Amino acid sequence: QQQVKQSPQSLIVQKGGISIINCAYENTAFDYFPWYQQFPGKGPALLIAIRPDVSEKKEGRFTISFNKSAKQFSLHIMDSQPGDSATYFCAASMGSGAGSYQLTFGKGTKLSVIP
Amino acid sequence: ETGVTQTPRHLVMGMTNKKSLKCEQHLGHNAMYWYKQSAKKPLELMFVYSLEERVENNSVPSRFSPECPNSSHLFLHLHTLQPEDSALYLCASSVRVGSYEQYFGPGTRLTVT
Repeated sequence: QQQVKQSPQSLIVQKGGISIINCAYENTAFDYFPWYQQFPGKGPALLIAIRPDVSEKKEGRFTISFNKSAKQFSLHIMDSQPGDSATYFCAASMGSGAGSYQLTFGKGTKLSVIP
Repeated sequence: ETGVTQTPRHLVMGMTNKKSLKCEQHLGHNAMYWYKQSAKKPLELMFVYSLEERVENNSVPSRFSPECPNSSHLFLHLHTLQPEDSALYLCASSVRVGSYEQYFGPGTRLTVT
């Protein structure tokens, strides 16, 4: 119930294309869904996050789409650039109950944007 | 120094050694965390500290011993590790336990031989 399932494991996208990474969860108590970006040799950094009261959040070229009924959320990277090549992690957290405020992470997606 | 720093960045140790990982945050946060990152596995939360008090220990083997002497520093003491403990160990901080945004350090790449 605490798992967050992420797909695909790896993704190759042409420069200028759209990168799409999907995540699914089971625990309906989750109320915060962040995406983290990790470059080689660096720790994960918060990229964008969403709460379940909205269906979409956009920040620049990055958009989170959230489907509460399906318990799924996805990251879209528009106009993908080689500098976006990194590993992306989805995560989920809840504000109360057992394990509250702990981030439960997906396994990560390694994105490669080729020129 | 800004953000969250970790030393050493790389560590190779034998199974009988004792070593320590250090984390320092320069953000004025009150919560600090240790995570383990293994290949093809989700990040695993190991320990959570709030104002130097441990608030969470996620069933971590006793060969990992955390220490938080103040709200800016966090250590992970290692002894008699196993090869399967080889991983990237990440430190993170947040304003407080309960703050959703966590700031990560670059990690220590640990290899146990």
